[in-house]
Amino acid sequence: RKEVEQDPGPFNVPEGATVAFNCTYSNSASQSFFWYRQDCRKEPKLLMSVYSSGNEDGRFTAQLNRASQYISLLIRDSKLSDSATYLCVVTDRGSTLGRLYFGRGTQLTVWP
Amino acid sequence: NAGVTQTPKFQVLKTGQSMTLQCAQDMNHEYMSWYRQDPGMGLRLIHYSVGAGITDQGEVPNGYNVSRSTTEDFPLRLLSAAPSQTSVYFCASSYGGSASGTEAFFGQGTRLTVV
Repeated sequence: RKEVEQDPGPFNVPEGATVAFNCTYSNSASQSFFWYRQDCRKEPKLLMSVYSSGNEDGRFTAQLNRASQYISLLIRDSKLSDSATYLCVVTDRGSTLGRLYFGRGTQLTVWP
Repeated sequence: NAGVTQTPKFQVLKTGQSMTLQCAQDMNHEYMSWYRQDPGMGLRLIHYSVGAGITDQGEVPNGYNVSRSTTEDFPLRLLSAAPSQTSVYFCASSYGGSASGTEAFFGQGTRLTVV
């Protein structure tokens, strides 16, 4: 069983739409949670960390449900520039190094 | 602002050849790691290092060696290339361990094809 599972996508939405991505993780000891963004043929870059209380960064809202081992990312008012692959990432408790577990990614295309 | 620099960006190898993928960071990060990304598989950890002189295996270490003689550099060596090693390779570094929630910075990637 894979550590991190994501919606397979792809998601194709019009500009201005609201879109939500889901992610589940298998290790209940996972400690830190992130969403990374990866543009086509580029390196992943941190979009936002995910906190237990939920957090928002402009049009982006991330939620964490530890009991259900579930993470979500909501994008409001989608822009063309949001087109990318979104990677759900978790770490283990006690991981003192760059041991990140990546989901396979969910591809988003925003069309005009 | 160099960040994490990987070379080369593209490489074609013949089966059985060896080569070294270079990775350097100028952010004084202790933590460095190598991932490979294959279609439908996500990124998988090959090797990692928590500081100069300290390295360890990740999820898919077979066929690869690493060393960390300085804080800045973390090269990845392919000992005898195989077609199964055709992939995109990313080097990453971070200030603290991921459990602390610190951001990982990635290099631009190396696209390797083994024929």
